[in-house]
Amino acid sequence: DAGVIQSPRHEVTEMGQEVTLRCKPISGHDYLFWYRQTMMRGLELLIYFNNNVPIDDSGMPEDRFSAKMPNASFSTLKIQPSEPRDSAVYFCASSFIRGGTEAFFGQGTRLTVV
Amino acid sequence: AQSVAQPEDQVNVAEGNPLTVKCTYSVSGNPYLFWYVQYPNRGLQFLLKYITGDNLVKGSYGFEAEFNKSQTSFHLKKPSALVSDSALYFCAVRGFNDYKLSFGAGTTVTVRA
Repeated sequence: DAGVIQSPRHEVTEMGQEVTLRCKPISGHDYLFWYRQTMMRGLELLIYFNNNVPIDDSGMPEDRFSAKMPNASFSTLKIQPSEPRDSAVYFCASSFIRGGTEAFFGQGTRLTVV
Repeated sequence: AQSVAQPEDQVNVAEGNPLTVKCTYSVSGNPYLFWYVQYPNRGLQFLLKYITGDNLVKGSYGFEAEFNKSQTSFHLKKPSALVSDSALYFCAVRGFNDYKLSFGAGTTVTVRA
């Protein structure tokens, strides 16, 4: 398995534009997590899904952020409109949760909003 | 609510010396505990985990960690550090019936030659 795949690896966009980050989890995993990493806040859990259903989105910072998981092999995180303070590295991770299985992380998308 | 504390922002050791990265946690019920490592411009890589059983768990690259329930700690250790161990280390916890994985702030380890 190629692991968790995120695209793009880098994104530079202008303030006000819509940004869509993509994630393909490991096949067979039933949990998917979106995290944001910044120097100031560290790793923050934004939202997670179980069997494609959003379970907890309490970490989503504002209504400008939305996430979907239309099927078991694909998820998106959308920011509309984007702002400079959204600049961060966004990670997707997937896991089986049963039995304490660890989460596997993608390489991340480095987002810069100018 | 669950949380993780990594009290040291940075740990500096000489190559060949033992390395310890500290972690304490708070969670309802029995914990699942994890250590991850992050190299520059990379994602998080899993090192080891505690689920149940022996308090001393062994993981990748010679790392081990000791679970101490009374002190709610899960310190990461390596008997002899390498320069290549220099990286950012994260401790994480989730509860037995809670699927939210919470991370500490991370500890930057620098191993000097």
